[in-house]
Amino acid sequence: AQSVTQLDSQVPVFEEAPVELRCNYSSSVSVYLFWYVQYPNQGLQLLLKYLSGSTLVKGINGFEAEFNKSQTSFHLRKPSVHISDTAEYFCAVSPYSSASKIIFGSGTRLSIRP
Amino acid sequence: GAGVSQSPRYKVAKRGQDVALRCDPISGHVSLFWYQQALGQGPEFLTYFQNEAQLDKSGLPSDRFFAERPEGSVSTLKIQRTQQEDSAVYLCASSALAVSSYEQYFGPGTRLTVT
Repeated sequence: AQSVTQLDSQVPVFEEAPVELRCNYSSSVSVYLFWYVQYPNQGLQLLLKYLSGSTLVKGINGFEAEFNKSQTSFHLRKPSVHISDTAEYFCAVSPYSSASKIIFGSGTRLSIRP
Repeated sequence: GAGVSQSPRYKVAKRGQDVALRCDPISGHVSLFWYQQALGQGPEFLTYFQNEAQLDKSGLPSDRFFAERPEGSVSTLKIQRTQQEDSAVYLCASSALAVSSYEQYFGPGTRLTVT
């Protein structure tokens, strides 16, 4: 079985400050890793994904995440946030297999203060 | 091109009523998923189709929940005798191939409120 833990339910940050959203996972099998973003009143959108290779993954809107196998973590970072980054962010895993389900964390609400 | 669409966007049902939620995936997508997202939580897997075959329904919370995709495109999630705990946003997602590394594209969801 797999599980995803997002340690912070809310993260308030000032505009143009850096941010890190933490994610840890547990799995008995190899998994793919994802970050999804959910803007207010919109559907989930893929930010980035780790499948294999380089552990530093770059995504859309200036976000990046680093896969750390030994710590089973996949933290999301952005060096300078904007008001438009206000959203809910979900870390997720999917086991290696044919079209398996995604297991999501409970989400982190990022609020940007001007 | 059109993304995943869901209808209705909002549904209010009285406890005990049956409801049907529709999902139109991206044209040609093989895989289709249903998720349930309770308030303040992440989405939770309900069921998965590969074309018309329902390959995984392990997440359906009770036998009141039923999903179908008879022609391998549009899917319907039906909830019988709705209960208050069924109140949630129901998300549909589709994927081009039956491989978990491929991106799932999500619809906007149907918000179900059971009164």
